[in-house]
Amino acid sequence: AQSVTQLDSQVPVFEEAPVELRCNYSSSVSVYLFWYVQYPNQGLQLLLKYLSGSTLVKGINGFEAEFNKSQTSFHLRKPSVHISDTAEYFCAVSESGGSYIPTFGRGTSLIVHP
Amino acid sequence: GAVVSQHPSRVICKSGTSVKIECRSLDFQATTMFWYRQFPKQSLMLMATSNEGSKATYEQGVEKDKFLINHASLTLSTLTVTSAHPEDSSFYICSARVGGQGGNTEAFFGQGTRLTVV
Repeated sequence: AQSVTQLDSQVPVFEEAPVELRCNYSSSVSVYLFWYVQYPNQGLQLLLKYLSGSTLVKGINGFEAEFNKSQTSFHLRKPSVHISDTAEYFCAVSESGGSYIPTFGRGTSLIVHP
Repeated sequence: GAVVSQHPSRVICKSGTSVKIECRSLDFQATTMFWYRQFPKQSLMLMATSNEGSKATYEQGVEKDKFLINHASLTLSTLTVTSAHPEDSSFYICSARVGGQGGNTEAFFGQGTRLTVV
């Protein structure tokens, strides 16, 4: 079984500053990795995903993430955040070759201050 | 990307009544849909996996008689909260998967339903 750890429950940052949201996973097999964003009272929107190939994945809204197999991490980054990036961010993992039932981390609340 | 529509987005009901939440895949056929429950400031908890034409698979600890799931067609799954109580108040989210099994198949999420039982 896989698990996901999002180390920070809340990340405050000033507008236009860079940000990194951390995600570590554990699994005994190869995995697929995802980052989702959730705005208040809404469902989840996929930001980006890693399936295979290049370990640096670029997503929507200027976000990117890097898959590091040796460190079992998939940290999300953005070089310059906007107020509109304030939201809840979820990291998720599913085991490759298995049925697609992702396991979600507990979420990180990104709060962008003006 | 594919669109999943969830309805209603918000519902308030009296204790003891039943509430039905619909999840529709608008532009694709979804053989599998998932129902999640999300408590405030917490992650998504998978409640059940809904497969078209067969019984749903419930996660441990989820009462199947309380949370009735029906997946009657390839584009519609419904979750009925029966005899709702205030502790059932929560944010319910559905997701639908395109295609068959395989971890590289992306799941698309509905907008969620905020259920408040008074």
